[in-house]
Amino acid sequence: ILNVEQSPQSLHVQEGDSTNFTCSFPSSNFYALHWYRWETAKSPEALFVMTLNGDEKKKGRISATLNTKEGYSYLYIKGSQPEDSATYLCASHTGTASKLTFGTGTRLQVTL
Amino acid sequence: EAQVTQNPRYLITVTGKKLTVTCSQNMNHEYMSWYRQDPGLGLRQIYYSMNVEVTDKGDVPEGYKVSRKEKRNFPLILESPSPNQTSLYFCASSFSQGNEKLFFGSGTQLSVL
Repeated sequence: ILNVEQSPQSLHVQEGDSTNFTCSFPSSNFYALHWYRWETAKSPEALFVMTLNGDEKKKGRISATLNTKEGYSYLYIKGSQPEDSATYLCASHTGTASKLTFGTGTRLQVTL
Repeated sequence: EAQVTQNPRYLITVTGKKLTVTCSQNMNHEYMSWYRQDPGLGLRQIYYSMNVEVTDKGDVPEGYKVSRKEKRNFPLILESPSPNQTSLYFCASSFSQGNEKLFFGSGTQLSVL
């Protein structure tokens, strides 16, 4: 994988459903993996930054895992609420590149 | 309050008229960066700065200039804007580059006619 890829592109769930998204990234020269939450008309806000293979991070109902050997990360939302509706971005930083490469995001819509 | 202040929020201009988008952070961050967001594409980096007087090109630097004369400020300059620079722009900063989370400004929606 040369770029950061996120799937699905969009997702529509009902309140109370649990859901998860995938971020795939280049595994060579891995340095860090970022997750951001981006609500409409606002700016992206950081959820997690993970660096170690096997890392698991949690913030309330949202959690993330990291597999640096195979180059993927999962973001989980337990018991989705309408306020979780947003675009979720992941970004990969490789050691040789002085930049974060962002995926195109997963747009989540949670309805009542 | 810790924040990244970006101005203006909205800007409509005409081709060739020089403009500057300002970005200032009050968190003593060393790393600052500019991104543009276009439909169907991820955030793409324009320029970044590791510290004062240290700047470098990102993925899409053509048509843009930056400067980092003070730690807190990182303006984005479009010397001769063109319609293909119509986009949503974000400034971001972090303590260091890579394993520290980015703090984003509120964004600038630029339209070049």
